Amino acid sequence: DQQVKQNSPSLSVQEGRISILNCDYTNSMFDYFLWYKKYPAEGPTFLISISSIKDKNEDGRFTVFLNKSAKHLSLHIVPSQPGDSAVYFCAARVKRNQFYFGTGTSLTVIP
Amino acid sequence: GAGVSQTPSNKVTEKGKYVELRCDPISGHTALYWYRQSLGQGPEFLIYFQGTGAADDSGLPNDRFFAVRPEGSVSTLKIQRTERGDSAVYLCASSSSGTSTDTQYFGPGTRLTVL
Repeated sequence: DQQVKQNSPSLSVQEGRISILNCDYTNSMFDYFLWYKKYPAEGPTFLISISSIKDKNEDGRFTVFLNKSAKHLSLHIVPSQPGDSAVYFCAARVKRNQFYFGTGTSLTVIP
Repeated sequence: GAGVSQTPSNKVTEKGKYVELRCDPISGHTALYWYRQSLGQGPEFLIYFQGTGAADDSGLPNDRFFAVRPEGSVSTLKIQRTERGDSAVYLCASSSSGTSTDTQYFGPGTRLTVL
């Protein structure tokens, strides 16, 4: 049973525009959410996180929004750059150290 | 500094064989995680170590899978009687203290193929 879902396997965006990556979850016990970025042949790299007590967290070009009532998480990248092209995973924590990952969205930023 | 390293990078084995996958975490990191990523899926939690002990092994799929971390540093994931369904990328991650908001640093993974 997939508790964290990323329904868009891929996304293409023009350089300079906004990229919006979406994630939905089913478990209301999740209390911490993260986004990871992954390049081919490398492990995932932490990007940004948000606690369930917040609805927004910003770090430079990256902003994560959390809508708990809708069980929905999104990552906004603005402006998008070609170097942002990668696979993005959202993840959610339940219990102390159990993390559930989505299936990933492949972002391509077109120069 | 050195990141998380995993060896081998690729492992091909035959059904029924035994394999060991190694993870070298970042020096000083007390928490270590193993994940499995099947094709088209996200990483799936397997086991979490805090120091030498397995604090949570609830993600191990069955008793063919076992992991150790005898000195609180290097960890080995062991798979007995491998099956074709075990084919996946096995990822290891470490974090400094195991506080669940600590950043996890991932290794590049070991791609296991069971023929």
